[in-house]
Amino acid sequence: NAGVTQTPKFQVLKTGQSMTLQCAQDMNHNSMYWYRQDPGMGLRLIYYSASEGTTDKGEVPNGYNVSRLNKREFSLRLESAAPSQTSVYFCASRGARGVPNEKLFFGSGTQLSVL
Amino acid sequence: DAKTTQPNSMESNEEEPVHLPCNHSTISGTDYIHWYRQLPSQGPEYVIHGLTSNVNNRMASLAIAEDRKSSTLILHRATLRDAAVYYCILRDVRLEGAQKLVFGQGTRLTINP
Repeated sequence: NAGVTQTPKFQVLKTGQSMTLQCAQDMNHNSMYWYRQDPGMGLRLIYYSASEGTTDKGEVPNGYNVSRLNKREFSLRLESAAPSQTSVYFCASRGARGVPNEKLFFGSGTQLSVL
Repeated sequence: DAKTTQPNSMESNEEEPVHLPCNHSTISGTDYIHWYRQLPSQGPEYVIHGLTSNVNNRMASLAIAEDRKSSTLILHRATLRDAAVYYCILRDVRLEGAQKLVFGQGTRLTINP
């Protein structure tokens, strides 16, 4: 099983450029999440999604948009990148209530630098 | 949202037990306590979770205070591979769908050889 796959692994943008970070999971999970992690800091929740077509804001949603077009995929878009968005971005997914553990599975991250 | 507080860093020696504390004084009766860890340059991974009773698995043990306002992750015999950032989070078991799962800063554990 691939688990949670994020693309790209690395990206460098110039201020003002736009891009979309892709995330896909093959575990038939309902819930998906986007976190960012600044150097030496903890994880901060950007957006999350309970199911296809639904999304909710997390702790730091400003400057981002998300799209949950189907159960597998949850994308994160930066419309106009800023240096403050330089960070490592992690996508995660979780199974439904009742599934043993209900644990979060994380991708390996996308390292984004905005110059 | 119920929050957790953890020490920023802890240090221990190889092959000794490690006790990582977490305070969650505003925990509700339906909040599960989950622990994750993040090895260097990797995404976080699940360690253990519990509700009221102490829990054991192959990675660690979780000791939950009787009033549930605090918990302790126990690594019985630390190895160098246990050096990581450890996060304690709460998840409300009543909520079917996704919910805000807030990680916070975590505890950076250093293991000395």
